[in-house]
Amino acid sequence: NAGVMQNPRHLVRRRGQEARLRCSPMKGHSHVYWYRQLPEEGLKFMVYLQKENIIDESGMPKERFSAEFPKEGPSILRIQQVVRGDSAAYFCASSPEDSQSGNTIYFGEGSWLTVV
Amino acid sequence: RKEVEQDPGPFNVPEGATVAFNCTYSNSASQSFFWYRQDCRKEPKLLMSVYSSGNEDGRFTAQLNRASQYISLLIRDSKLSDSATYLCVVNLNKFYFGSGTKLNVKP
Repeated sequence: NAGVMQNPRHLVRRRGQEARLRCSPMKGHSHVYWYRQLPEEGLKFMVYLQKENIIDESGMPKERFSAEFPKEGPSILRIQQVVRGDSAAYFCASSPEDSQSGNTIYFGEGSWLTVV
Repeated sequence: RKEVEQDPGPFNVPEGATVAFNCTYSNSASQSFFWYRQDCRKEPKLLMSVYSSGNEDGRFTAQLNRASQYISLLIRDSKLSDSATYLCVVNLNKFYFGSGTKLNVKP
C-alpha cells in the first residue's frame, strides 16, 4: 500500500521559470494538503483540496502560486516565475476524509525546490 | 497570535533522561491533537494522537489539557535515536503545526 507519493523529489529552477510539483495521495484518500517549509523554519499551511475542489487556500500567496486536484491524476502545486525566496521543501499530505473527522494526515517525502 | 506555540529548544539531554515538551494552542474549539516527529530533511511522521484521558505508547506519554489549552509530550529513558524535532499539531478544520521543539539526546 503505497504512501503519499511526491515528485520530483528535487527540482532546480532558474529565476522566472515555472515549477510544478505533483502529489498522489495514499490509496483511498480524497483530501490533500500542501505545506511549505523554509530552511530552519516550521511547516506553513498553503492549501487544502478535495477532488476538483479547493477547500481552503488561505495560506497560498496571492500571486504566482496555484493548486489543483483534478478528478483523475495527482494534485499539482504550480509556482510561476519562481524567485529565490520560493526555495523550500514542499510537503504534501493526505487524509481519508475531511479534517473534522479526527483523522490525521500522512506526509509524502517532500519536494525540494531550489531556485538559482 | 499563532494558533500553536512551542518552545523551539534545543533540549540537550543525556541518554536515559526524561524530557517533557509542552505546546499551547489558541483556539478552544480545536478538535483533535497530535504529536509528529520530523528528522532533518525528512517528512513529518505521526508519533501519536493526544487524548484528554492521556495516552501512552512505550516510552512516550501524551496529555491534553483542554482547560488550559496545552498539550504535553513526555519521553522517558531517552535514546540517541529520539533526537529529532517534535511538532505539536492541532486540528481545527485544517491542521496547524507548531514550529517544533528540537531534541538532542547525547551519549
